[in-house]
Amino acid sequence: DTGVSQNPRHKITKRGQNVTFRCDPISEHNRLYWYRQTLGQGPEFLTYFQNEAQLEKSRLLSDRFSAERPKGSFSTLEIQRTEQGDSAMYLCASSLEFYEQYFGPGTRLTVT
Amino acid sequence: QQQVKQSPQSLIVQKGGISIINCAYENTAFDYFPWYQQFPGKGPALLIAIRPDVSEKKEGRFTISFNKSAKQFSLHIMDSQPGDSATYFCAARFMNTGFQKLVFGTGTRLLVSP
Repeated sequence: DTGVSQNPRHKITKRGQNVTFRCDPISEHNRLYWYRQTLGQGPEFLTYFQNEAQLEKSRLLSDRFSAERPKGSFSTLEIQRTEQGDSAMYLCASSLEFYEQYFGPGTRLTVT
Repeated sequence: QQQVKQSPQSLIVQKGGISIINCAYENTAFDYFPWYQQFPGKGPALLIAIRPDVSEKKEGRFTISFNKSAKQFSLHIMDSQPGDSATYFCAARFMNTGFQKLVFGTGTRLLVSP
């Protein structure tokens, strides 16, 4: 296994459009996390899955954001009606139980 | 209380020198402190981590020093190399029943000059 993968790597969209990102965690990892990173800042926690259950959501995750992890494998993060303030790097991480979190390369979203 | 403060914001070190990055926290519930290295256009990569019952951890040229009473920890990069030029983030783990998340510092951009 080569680590956490994310697709697409870059996404440019117009304001008001919906976008969906995909994360494939390390295969044996049962816990999956989404973070958001804006320019010059550290990643900020968005949401967390244990297997297929979404157990925690940050207040940063507005109603326009939804995340799923069907069957406890890959995860998707959807942003509806995108706004310019959504422009950021969206990072996915996974861990085996409560051990170290390993990050993917991220999806850079630009909203024009 | 959920913040991790990191300094300096940027750092220039000559090749072979020692790079030192500092972090401080308030929340005593944090129980694990990793450092991540991030290159432009890449995701953060785990570098080294420490638990609060240990005062120092060394892996190769990288050392974490941890002061539990002061709620501070730092990363030392010995014999810094141009390939170490990257952004470094300290983080702290918050853990609750069935849940963990990392709280990150704001990052330090390190440039190692040849």
